[in-house]
Amino acid sequence: AQSVTQPDIHITVSEGASLELRCNYSYGATPYLFWYVQSPGQGLQLLLKYFSGDTLVQGIKGFEAEFKRSQSSFNLRKPSVHWSDAAEYFCAVGPSNDYKLSFGAGTTVTVRA
Amino acid sequence: EAQVTQNPRYLITVTGKKLTVTCSQNMNHEYMSWYRQDPGLGLRQIYYSMNVEVTDKGDVPEGYKVSRKEKRNFPLILESPSPNQTSLYFCASSVPGQGTEAFFGQGTRLTVV
Repeated sequence: AQSVTQPDIHITVSEGASLELRCNYSYGATPYLFWYVQSPGQGLQLLLKYFSGDTLVQGIKGFEAEFKRSQSSFNLRKPSVHWSDAAEYFCAVGPSNDYKLSFGAGTTVTVRA
Repeated sequence: EAQVTQNPRYLITVTGKKLTVTCSQNMNHEYMSWYRQDPGLGLRQIYYSMNVEVTDKGDVPEGYKVSRKEKRNFPLILESPSPNQTSLYFCASSVPGQGTEAFFGQGTRLTVV
């Protein structure tokens, strides 16, 4: 069965500082990995995705993620956060044969001035 | 503009009063699904549909029904809502296939008292 673990429930970071969100997955085959962001009162927006190829993936809003098969991880990074990056971030794996995405519990990011 | 539209955005109802949350997408996607989001649990799939008249249970289907009579619409029905169905609900659509991006609606916050 596929599953995702996001170990950090809440992260507080200063504006301009770097950010890294952790994601560990369990998947029986080659994983398809996603990071979504949910801003307050909004739906989920795709930041980036990984299928194959280069293990460092660039996304929107200056985010990137690195796939590490040996660690079953897909951590999200941003070199310098902006106040508008305050949101909840979800890592997801799949789809499986029934096209379902499995989501982690999410990490809430607070940005302080 | 490509979008998934859910209505209503907010709903407060009483236990046992049937309700329907509508979902419509304008991208001609075959695959649609419903998720509920609860703190600390991330998003869990309720039901999904591979195409018109084809629906199946997700991880947490108890207490919910769906229908898919038209490709664009995928309503979520709560025949007899209970307080444990208080949650944030998201509809999503995508082209079926491994690794395709899911597009999400803006969410419906349901409170059952």
